[in-house]
Formats: sequence, structure tokens, C-alpha cells
Amino acid sequence: DAGVTQSPTHLIKTRGQQVTLRCSPKSGHDTVSWYQQALGQGPQFIFQYYEEEERQRGNFPDRFSGHQFPNYSSELNVNALLLGDSALYLCASSTVAGNTYEQYFGPGTRLTVT
Amino acid sequence: AQTVTQSQPEMSVQEAETVTLSCTYDTSENNYYLFWYKQPPSRQMILVIRQEAYKQQNATENRFSVNFQKAAKSFSLKISDSQLGDTAMYFCAAEVYGNKLVFGAGTILRVKS
Repeated sequence: DAGVTQSPTHLIKTRGQQVTLRCSPKSGHDTVSWYQQALGQGPQFIFQYYEEEERQRGNFPDRFSGHQFPNYSSELNVNALLLGDSALYLCASSTVAGNTYEQYFGPGTRLTVT
Repeated sequence: AQTVTQSQPEMSVQEAETVTLSCTYDTSENNYYLFWYKQPPSRQMILVIRQEAYKQQNATENRFSVNFQKAAKSFSLKISDSQLGDTAMYFCAAEVYGNKLVFGAGTILRVKS
């Protein structure tokens, strides 16, 4: 049973560019959440997708957008990259089934903006 | 709004000894979950232990146990018989059912041989 997978592992972009990160949830999960983790800090919630719609959003600008596909996989898009967007981006999947709502994390994508 | 505070930036413990990591939180909700996650240098976030707020009994997972004090909004993690593989960043997190995870700033734990 594959866990949460993310691609790419590492990414280097230039200021002003756009980036797309991808996430495939754990088998049986229908909800995907994205988090940004700056170096030495705890993850910060970006947004959550369920049934292909953004269900909740954290305190991030509109430059951060996402999408969820019918197979529950998800993309995180960041436009007009800033140096401050350099971080580890974590995807977590979950499901309400079983009433646990435990989130399983992927290995993350390390984004460096130069 | 929920907040999670970890007041210990770094901790050290000798192999085979016991260490306790502290966490306090604030929420106005009655139903919520509390978690401890481990993030080793490989950066994979791994769930260590989970506590449902409506359960009075403290959760235990092998060498890991929590001390959940709901009135004090305190949720500490005790690691017994510490092993070198326990070296990692530990995050305390809170989640209202179906909602987002709110993380603390983390505690770096170093287990020394």
C-alpha cells in the first residue's frame, strides 16, 4: 500500500516564476491538505481539498492556488515566486472514514527560490 | 483560533533514559485531537501518538506516552528508554475534527550515546 507521494523532491526556481507541486494521497484517502514549512519552523497550513473543492484556507495570498482531481490527487501552484516562498512543502492526506481524521504526510518537496 | 506552544527549542537525553517534551495549546472547541509528530533529518513527518480530547485516559504507544491535562491545556510527550533513532524534531499539533492541523514551533531532541 503506497503512502503519500509527492513530486518533485527538489525544485529550484527564480523569483517571479511559477511552480506546480504534485501530491498523490494514500490509498483510500479523499482529502488532501498542503502545508508550508520554513527552515527550522513548524508547518503552516495552506489549504485543504475535498471532493475537488477548496474546503478551508490558511493565511496565504492568492498567489497560492490548488486543485484536486477526480482520483483525489492534488496540485499546489504558486505564482510570482518570492524569495520567502523557499520552504519544504508538505502534502498530507486523510479520510473521515473510521472517524480518526488522522493525517498522513508525504516526504515533501523542497522549493528553493533564487 | 487555535495556538500551540512548545517552549523547549532543544532537549538532550542519554540513551536508555527518559525525556519529556512539553506542549501547551489553546482552543475554544470542545472536540479536538492532539498529536505528536516526529520529523527526522530525512524530513518525513511521522505520527508518534494521538490523543482524542474527549478521552480521559492518556494515550500510549510502546515507549511513547502522553500526559494530557485538558483543564490546563497541556499535552506533554514522554519517551522512555530513549534510543539513538529517536533523534529528530518533534512537533506538537492540534486539530479540530475535519479541520487543519496547527503545529507548534518544534523541539529538537538529541539522544546521546
